[in-house]
This record gives sequence, structure tokens and C-alpha cells, in this order.
Amino acid sequence: AQSVTQLDSQVPVFEEAPVELRCNYSSSVSVYLFWYVQYPNQGLQLLLKYLSGSTLVKGINGFEAEFNKSQTSFHLRKPSVHISDTAEYFCAVSGGYGGATNKLIFGTGTLLAVQP
Amino acid sequence: DTAVSQTPKYLVTQMGNDKSIKCEQNLGHDTMYWYKQDSKKFLKIMFSYNNKELIINETVPNRFSPKSPDKAHLNLHINSLELGDSAVYFCASSQGEGLDYSTDTQYFGPGTRLTVL
Repeated sequence: AQSVTQLDSQVPVFEEAPVELRCNYSSSVSVYLFWYVQYPNQGLQLLLKYLSGSTLVKGINGFEAEFNKSQTSFHLRKPSVHISDTAEYFCAVSGGYGGATNKLIFGTGTLLAVQP
Repeated sequence: DTAVSQTPKYLVTQMGNDKSIKCEQNLGHDTMYWYKQDSKKFLKIMFSYNNKELIINETVPNRFSPKSPDKAHLNLHINSLELGDSAVYFCASSQGEGLDYSTDTQYFGPGTRLTVL
């Protein structure tokens, strides 16, 4: 079975500082990896996803993530955060088994709290 | 021009009542989903439909019944509501073409906050 671990439930950071949100996954087959963001009182929206190819994936709003197969990780980074980046960030995994019944498995989320 | 919309946004009701949540997407997608987000923000899939056909049905009490009248709509009906049903329910959609939807980006609605008293 697939699973996702986000070890940090909350990451406080000052504005304009760099940030890394950690995500580790567990799967016995190849996977696809996603980062979604949920702004307060809103639905989730995709930041970026890794399907194949280059292990460094660039997303919206200046975020990027690196797929590391040997460490089964997909950490999200941003070199300089803004107040507006304050949100809940979810790592998710899918795929590997083929077919229409593949589903997204979400981690428990990391609250990025950007302080002035 | 909302891509995925849900109604109502808030729903407060008594235990034992029956309620419905409606979802519509105007993206032309073939696949729609219902997720439940609990008080700790944990998000779990409940159901998935492709072209009005149920393809994912997680371990959900049979008090929950999804209905898809057409591929742009997926409604969720809940019978005999219980305190533990209090959560935020999200509808989502994705392209859902071909045989594997694993790579699809899912587009989420704004959520419906259900409070059972």
C-alpha cells in the first residue's frame, strides 16, 4: 500500500526567508507525486507534480520540488516566502498499479505560517 | 466562471437528519470525486465517478450515497446524520480520459462545511 508522511505539522518562517516542507512516501511500485496548497477557507489547488523525467519540478508561485527515489522523498522548497504563502500544504501520491481505480493518497498536511 | 462549485458552503443540521450536497464542474472533465477532510485537516477520498459510473467506493458507511445525473454533476446524499459526519466535504474533478487517471491534476471545489449537532 502507498502512504505519505509529512513530518512537520507546522513550519513557522519569517517573510523573505527560504523554506523547505518535507514529504516522504512509501510504495512498492513507481509513483506519481503531487503538492497541493490549501489557502484558508478554500479548496486545494495544484502547486506542482512529478510524473517522470527531470527530478527537479518547478511549480506555480515560485515553488519547486525535488524527487529523490533513493530517499523516497519529494520535498517542497521556495527560496523566499511571502506573507501570502501562508497556507496548508499537502503532499500526495498516486499511481503505480494502473487502471482507473488509482487514487490520490494525501499526507496530513503542513501549515506554512509566514511571519512579517 | 467557477470551475468546480459546491452548494451549500455551510450546512448545520441535527443528528438523524438527511442532507444533500451538490457539486457541478464546468471543465468538461469525465471524472469527479468526493473527499472528506476531518478536523485535523486529513483528506481522504470517499467516491469517484467516471462518466456517471462509480469507479472508487472507499470504506464509507452506506448512509452516504453519491449520485451522478450527468458527468458534470456529482451529488452526495447523507442519511441519518451522525456527530462524526461533521467535516468539510470537497468535490473535485479531473480529465479522467483513458485507462489511468493517476497523472491527472484534480481541481477542487471550495468545500462544504457540515456541522452535525
